[in-house]
Amino acid sequence: AQSVTQLGSHVSVSEGALVLLRCNYSSSVPPYLFWYVQYPNQGLQLLLKYTTGATLVKGINGFEAEFKKSETSFHLTKPSAHMSDAAEYFCAVSSFSGGYNKLIFGAGTRLAVHP
Amino acid sequence: NAGVTQTPKFQVLKTGQSMTLQCAQDMNHNSMYWYRQDPGMGLRLIYYSASEGTTDKGEVPNGYNVSRLNKREFSLRLESAAPSQTSVYFCASSDMGPPDSPLHFGNGTRLTVT
Repeated sequence: AQSVTQLGSHVSVSEGALVLLRCNYSSSVPPYLFWYVQYPNQGLQLLLKYTTGATLVKGINGFEAEFKKSETSFHLTKPSAHMSDAAEYFCAVSSFSGGYNKLIFGAGTRLAVHP
Repeated sequence: NAGVTQTPKFQVLKTGQSMTLQCAQDMNHNSMYWYRQDPGMGLRLIYYSASEGTTDKGEVPNGYNVSRLNKREFSLRLESAAPSQTSVYFCASSDMGPPDSPLHFGNGTRLTVT
């Protein structure tokens, strides 16, 4: 069965610093991996996704993630944090069975950005 | 674009009361989902529906029922609310097809059961 582990429930960075949010997955089949972002009092929005092909995936707002099969990881990075990046971030793996796309989410990492 | 609309936004119930959370999407998606979000636990799937007339249990279905009323609407019912059901509930929809199709989420319903 697929599962996702996010390391660090809270991450704090300075504005302009590198953002690194860690995600490891477990999957018995080639995984489809996602990062979603949740701003306060809102639903989740897709940030980026990995399906097949290029292992470095670029998303919205300057975020990117690299799929590393050997490390079963899909860490999210952004070179320079902005105050508007403060949000909760969820890594997810797609569990596709019976024609249904179900997402298995990690517990989330709350990113704080301070001046 | 409305996307996925959930009502109500907030609700307070007493233990044992019942209520229905409503969800509608205007993107012509086939699949719809109900998740609950609890601190430190991420989102957990309660029920999902691949198409009209079909529903299936997710990870945490106990205490809930669902109805896929038509292609647009997917409701979640709590028959006898319990404090353990205090949570934020999210409805989502997606195209049925390739497994890489993203989910589109509503803004959530914040439910407190006292």
